[in-house]
Amino acid sequence: DVKVTQSSRYLVKRTGEKVFLECVQDMDHENMFWYRQDPGLGLRLIYFSYDVKMKEKGDIPEGYSVSREKKERFSLILESASTNQTSMYLCASTTGGANTGELFFGEGSRLTVL
Amino acid sequence: GNSVTQMEGPVTLSEEAFLTINCTYTATGYPSLFWYVQYPGEGLQLLLKATKADDKGSNKGFEATYRKETTSFHLEKGSVQVSDSAVYFCALRYPDQAGTALIFGKGTTLSVSS
Repeated sequence: DVKVTQSSRYLVKRTGEKVFLECVQDMDHENMFWYRQDPGLGLRLIYFSYDVKMKEKGDIPEGYSVSREKKERFSLILESASTNQTSMYLCASTTGGANTGELFFGEGSRLTVL
Repeated sequence: GNSVTQMEGPVTLSEEAFLTINCTYTATGYPSLFWYVQYPGEGLQLLLKATKADDKGSNKGFEATYRKETTSFHLEKGSVQVSDSAVYFCALRYPDQAGTALIFGKGTTLSVSS
């Protein structure tokens, strides 16, 4: 069964802390994505990666960075957490090349910044 | 640019009622279209998809038809159940393009009562 695993379901951090959100997929997918989900705003793309060590900015990259050192792992980093980064973070992956574009999602990481 | 607009919720229905959630899109070319569902406390999962005009996606009693002439992909179910209560997201993506992400609507919350 395909699986995208996010390391933490719930996190509480303080303003200014550095935060790491980890995502691992076991499907050998080339493409991986980080979204944030907020009420009334839906899902917004933060960053994505279509290959190891490659990354592209999404719609709202400010305040975030990412790391993809291995194909199966895609990390989201908040260098200095702020209260407006309190949100649900969703990781997803999909195959590259010819495909219908279906994304597989993790269960989400709910981050609260105090 | 490309975008997805879906009807705002919440949608509140009684069990066995008919469901329609409207979704329209703005895009050039021929994107693939998706409906994702998010049950309480879970990540998103694919409900159904359609990859070309006039295709009908179906799953778990839900259906949606890719209508290029009206740029729509409305979700329907003939008889909803309490277990269908969830948030539904319409989305589009261009396949075969490295690094392209799903573009989501803002989501529609469905609440079904017995």
